[in-house]
Amino acid sequence: SQQGEEDPQALSIQEGENATMNCSYKTSINNLQWYRQNSGRGLVHLILIRSNEREKHSGRLRVTLDTSKKSSSLLITASRAADTASYFCATANNAGNMLTFGGGTRLMVKP
Amino acid sequence: GAGVSQSPRYKVAKRGQDVALRCDPISGHVSLFWYQQALGQGPEFLTYFQNEAQLDKSGLPSDRFFAERPEGSVSTLKIQRTQQEDSAVYLCASSLAWGGLAKNIQYFGAGTRLSVL
Repeated sequence: SQQGEEDPQALSIQEGENATMNCSYKTSINNLQWYRQNSGRGLVHLILIRSNEREKHSGRLRVTLDTSKKSSSLLITASRAADTASYFCATANNAGNMLTFGGGTRLMVKP
Repeated sequence: GAGVSQSPRYKVAKRGQDVALRCDPISGHVSLFWYQQALGQGPEFLTYFQNEAQLDKSGLPSDRFFAERPEGSVSTLKIQRTQQEDSAVYLCASSLAWGGLAKNIQYFGAGTRLSVL
């Protein structure tokens, strides 16, 4: 079974707008990661945040982690049509080597 | 190769047929994972290898599913007597087993889409 839920399940925005996706999980974690999946392709790692970190940035991506609420958010700023994809959060177990994925958010960015 | 390679990309099987799905991980990656992804869902863990040792197979849905990695590189996921509910995309991923957080990042293949008729 999957670790948690992502919200929203689907999101449609205009190019240039910001996109925010949320992820909740159930058990203690070593780290939390976000992956992107384009249609018919494998997953691509975007960013990793450790359990003792609260916020992390990478280019147009900003990730927050609240371990007290067992939740994370991914913000994509100044979105582009090429950002259209499904985004998944994944939590790593305490050993740090096993990932459990959420159900994903399907993002559509309209040009 | 440069990335994780899976073959075939698509497989159509008649119910009851056996299938074998292949995964070539990134050279030097010690850990290898198999996931099952149903349409519109996130990947679900099936099994995990470190080198040739299968350390966790708790996600395999039934004894019809079998995975091996005999020489610690290429892996094969075999499904015997396929059923319609086995239809899904099967993803393979590999990662380093050392290097601090680097070991936590998994590199995925494009997957094999299995359709059981």
